[in-house]
Amino acid sequence: DQQVKQNSPSLSVQEGRISILNCDYTNSMFDYFLWYKKYPAEGPTFLISISSIKDKNEDGRFTVFLNKSAKHLSLHIVPSQPGDSAVYFCAASENYIPTFGRGTSLIVHP
Amino acid sequence: GAVVSQHPSWVICKSGTSVKIECRSLDFQATTMFWYRQFPKQSLMLMATSNEGSKATYEQGVEKDKFLINHASLTLSTLTVTSAHPEDSSFYICSARVQEGNYGYTFGSGTRLTVV
Repeated sequence: DQQVKQNSPSLSVQEGRISILNCDYTNSMFDYFLWYKKYPAEGPTFLISISSIKDKNEDGRFTVFLNKSAKHLSLHIVPSQPGDSAVYFCAASENYIPTFGRGTSLIVHP
Repeated sequence: GAVVSQHPSWVICKSGTSVKIECRSLDFQATTMFWYRQFPKQSLMLMATSNEGSKATYEQGVEKDKFLINHASLTLSTLTVTSAHPEDSSFYICSARVQEGNYGYTFGSGTRLTVV
């Protein structure tokens, strides 16, 4: 049973527009949430994170929103750039151990 | 920033042989290292958690005698796939928790293992 779900396997967006990647979780004990970006044949790289005591964290073009009551978080990328094309993994952490979603492949068209 | 160096990046081996994958934390001490496996278009599946100087904790369904993990120092953890079979072909990634700062994790660059 997946505790972290990314229901959209892929997302296609036009350059300059907003990309919204979604993630749902079931374990209410998760207290920290992270987004990672991954290129093929490479390890994931950390993008942005948010603590369960917050509902929003922003870093440049990237913003993560957390809705604890809905057990939902999202990553917004504005404006999207072709270089953002990658697989994005959502991760939720309990006791410092992360659980990953299956990833969403984002393609940003020029 | 914290860097984890993983080697080799890819390896091809014959069935029945063993393969060792190394992960080194270059500028920090990694008391805890995580080992993941990723199948195509699937999530990162946690295989085991290793703590320096103690035995690794394996996730359910992961054969500890097949996937040997050693974390002998604060900067080095190794995963040895013993008696490899074609079904062990996968992408293996290590990760270390960066103690300072936040809950962030630093990942190695991954190892593509192909067993023929």
